[in-house]
Amino acid sequence: QQQVKQSPQSLIVQKGGISIINCAYENTAFDYFPWYQQFPGKGPALLIAIRPDVSEKKEGRFTISFNKSAKQFSLHIMDSQPGDSATYFCAAGRAGNNRKLIWGLGTSLAVNP
Amino acid sequence: NAGVTQTPKFQVLKTGQSMTLQCAQDMNHNSMYWYRQDPGMGLRLIYYSASEGTTDKGEVPNGYNVSRLNKREFSLRLESAAPSQTSVYFCASSGGLAGGDEQFFGPGTRLTVL
Repeated sequence: QQQVKQSPQSLIVQKGGISIINCAYENTAFDYFPWYQQFPGKGPALLIAIRPDVSEKKEGRFTISFNKSAKQFSLHIMDSQPGDSATYFCAAGRAGNNRKLIWGLGTSLAVNP
Repeated sequence: NAGVTQTPKFQVLKTGQSMTLQCAQDMNHNSMYWYRQDPGMGLRLIYYSASEGTTDKGEVPNGYNVSRLNKREFSLRLESAAPSQTSVYFCASSGGLAGGDEQFFGPGTRLTVL
């Protein structure tokens, strides 16, 4: 079965530090790689997404790095803040393919003040 | 715009009871999805509907049925609830006129089956 493997399962970072979450996928046909952020009691919300024609995408303090040959992508949160404490999910899919996504199991991030 | 709405927010059932979870979106999206979220299990796709009039099984369809009532509404039915169906259920939608891939999620329904 197609999988997206996400690590670590949980992460504790000090305020101002860098949070790094990694994902690996198997299907080379995937061409859409989003990251979702979920706060307790809420539904997930899209944070940032990348397509394989670029190796990096940055939006504010959030950056996706993409390594096509290794079939890996990662989320970097610079200057992490307590408000970033949430669960982060990576996903992968084929754009337009009924828009189904294969999801990682999630990373619980806690940023200590 | 309300986005994706789900009802009810909370529900407690006894084993064997039935219920329908309702979902509606006002973004004119073509695709809609039902997920369940359990601790340590991430988001697992139950059923999805690529367009009005079509539905397909996802990763964990057993014990569930769905109806795509119209473009806006996608319901999930538990015919005979079991304790293993205790979970948080999320509805999502995607694919408006711009053809976007982003999935928009509702606030979830927290279901407990005793």
